Amino acid sequence: QSALTQPASVSGSPGQSITISCTGTSSDIGTHNLVSWYQQHPGKAPKLMIYEVNKRPSGVSNRFSGSKSGNAASLTISGLQAEDEADYYCCSYAGYSAFDVIFGGGTKLTVL
Amino acid sequence: QVQLVQSGAEVRKPGSSVKVSCKAYGGTLSNHAINWVRQAPGQGLLWMGRIIPIPGITNYAQKFQDRVTITADTSTNTVYIDLTSLRSEDTAIFYCARDRGDGYPYFDNWGQGTLLTVSS
Repeated sequence: QSALTQPASVSGSPGQSITISCTGTSSDIGTHNLVSWYQQHPGKAPKLMIYEVNKRPSGVSNRFSGSKSGNAASLTISGLQAEDEADYYCCSYAGYSAFDVIFGGGTKLTVL
Repeated sequence: QVQLVQSGAEVRKPGSSVKVSCKAYGGTLSNHAINWVRQAPGQGLLWMGRIIPIPGITNYAQKFQDRVTITADTSTNTVYIDLTSLRSEDTAIFYCARDRGDGYPYFDNWGQGTLLTVSS
């Protein structure tokens, strides 16, 4: 199936809030509350920032929050900081008769 | 804290195969699924498949079903991905990633990545 749809880029100034959208279908985001978000800095492995739509792993700042409505999910970063500049990927379970996982195309966040 | 360490960069010719390893240090694989994720240069993430080492259950993305085999050696805490019939578009970084142990696709522990270059 096709990747989840994310904007190619978003930007914001330090201290501001930004939201990254992730649009899927009724076969993935719309059916399962198994949405996660990953942050990836250049040359590094991805890092889990949000799981199960809106839960944060231990150690992840509470400036990061997630939500879901229908076939779409969102990641909001409040109080933008320079170190938030990275690529962000949404991810959803997409299995029906078999285990399957789908990622979004990624969004480049620029902190101005 | 378990650390996933992957094997080094590989160069292969089109049509050949490659086997990349992912070894868990500081703990056992236990019942955590190990997933493999591909990232082509400048591109996004693509889930390839996973294995639950005990009891050895595997799942593969449909796109890779015919070319990928994921295995685990629990005696050495190592997971392998075998990719055959390589083509230029397989040039990418391959990551192994462990889930949280609940079977859900949340990957909270990643290897450092292995660069595969496919070129004639």
